Amino acid sequence: DAKTTQPTSMDCAEGRAANLPCNHSTISGNEYVYWYRQIHSQGPQYIIHGLKNNETNEMASLIITEDRKSSTLILPHATLRDTAVYYCIVRVGPGGTSYGKLTFGQGTILTVHP
Amino acid sequence: GAVVSQHPSWVICKSGTSVKIECRSLDFQATTMFWYRQFPKQSLMLMATSNEGSKATYEQGVEKDKFLINHASLTLSTLTVTSAHPEDSSFYICSARGRLSGELFFGEGSRLTVL
Repeated sequence: DAKTTQPTSMDCAEGRAANLPCNHSTISGNEYVYWYRQIHSQGPQYIIHGLKNNETNEMASLIITEDRKSSTLILPHATLRDTAVYYCIVRVGPGGTSYGKLTFGQGTILTVHP
Repeated sequence: GAVVSQHPSWVICKSGTSVKIECRSLDFQATTMFWYRQFPKQSLMLMATSNEGSKATYEQGVEKDKFLINHASLTLSTLTVTSAHPEDSSFYICSARGRLSGELFFGEGSRLTVL
């Protein structure tokens, strides 16, 4: 799996947008960018994933640079409940035979404060 | 949405005893399940890959005789920590890969404390 680099921690004010960066300069052409988050003492929660186009769902937006070497997860209006560890993972897509074996880095600890 | 349930959510046991943790896919069939371990303030580490009807594949450094994995059906995988010791205290998390969709879903985790 391509290695990812994320800042150790970030702060965000409640109601503001949280922009979490991720570098994945060695990503391969068939690898997707996945984002998960883990709230304290819970299992990881899927947020969003993308290949090369920007993606948006009800939770977040994912912006992938044209060269695909980095991406940004955007939580448009952060709430206190968004405080969690956010993991950026580069993996083959759901059809890949090795899909599912995720390599988690240290992630970014996002703290949303009032 | 798809749900993966783990049981128990937390367990406390005495050193030397064995503990079984279940991972169930509630509304889908999972041919493959994955077991992770997470120590405090650390990230998740993959322990093993569990395939229905076959032996589990363990990651390097994980003792297969200590962490017994059984995947007897398309909806259930179990992890048994044998002869548990305090250093086995950890947060154990499973994930399941949908047989049809190929998507991946995580359980809520099981916290093991060995006294």
